[in-house]
Amino acid sequence: DTGVSQDPRHKITKRGQNVTFRCDPISEHNRLYWYRQTLGQGPEFLTYFQNEAQLEKSRLLSDRFSAERPKGSFSTLEIQRTEQGDSAMYLCASSALDRGDYGYTFGSGTRLTVV
Amino acid sequence: QQQVKQSPQSLIVQKGGIPIINCAYENTAFDYFPWYQQFPGKGPALLIAIRPDVSEKKEGRFTISFNKSAKQFSLHIMDSQPGDSATYFCAARFSGSRLTFGEGTQLTVNP
Repeated sequence: DTGVSQDPRHKITKRGQNVTFRCDPISEHNRLYWYRQTLGQGPEFLTYFQNEAQLEKSRLLSDRFSAERPKGSFSTLEIQRTEQGDSAMYLCASSALDRGDYGYTFGSGTRLTVV
Repeated sequence: QQQVKQSPQSLIVQKGGIPIINCAYENTAFDYFPWYQQFPGKGPALLIAIRPDVSEKKEGRFTISFNKSAKQFSLHIMDSQPGDSATYFCAARFSGSRLTFGEGTQLTVNP
């Protein structure tokens, strides 16, 4: 296992289209997180899962955003009816918190551009 | 209450210098304070982290100093190298496992 994998790396979409991103965490990590990062800013929390359960969602996660983690393995983040303000880097991270490991491992992100 | 304020926004040092990046927080519920390093086009990578019951932690050339009473913590990079040029983020863990990040410091180490 080489780390957290995100796909695609880049996505350009027209305003109003739906997009879906995938994240494959480190296999033994039971927690998976989604963050959004805009240029020149720190990552902002969106949501996280423990196994297949979605435990917390940020107010940033509007009704157009939905995340799933079926079977507690990979996760998908879908954005419906994209807007130009959705343009950002979407980062996925995983951790094994229940083993006392608080450190996140981040993927390289999916850069979304809405035109 | 959930913010983490980071300074400076950018920092330029010469090779061998000791850049210092500072962070301040308000919420005493934060219980874990990591620092991340990010290169362009990559996700943040964990550098070093500290719990609030410890005042200092060293790992290689990186040191965190933590002042619980002042609600401040800082990152020191000893013997800085051009390869350390990156953006550095402090963060704090809040209410479970969500991290709140600072705004970032763009570090340039000149040869």
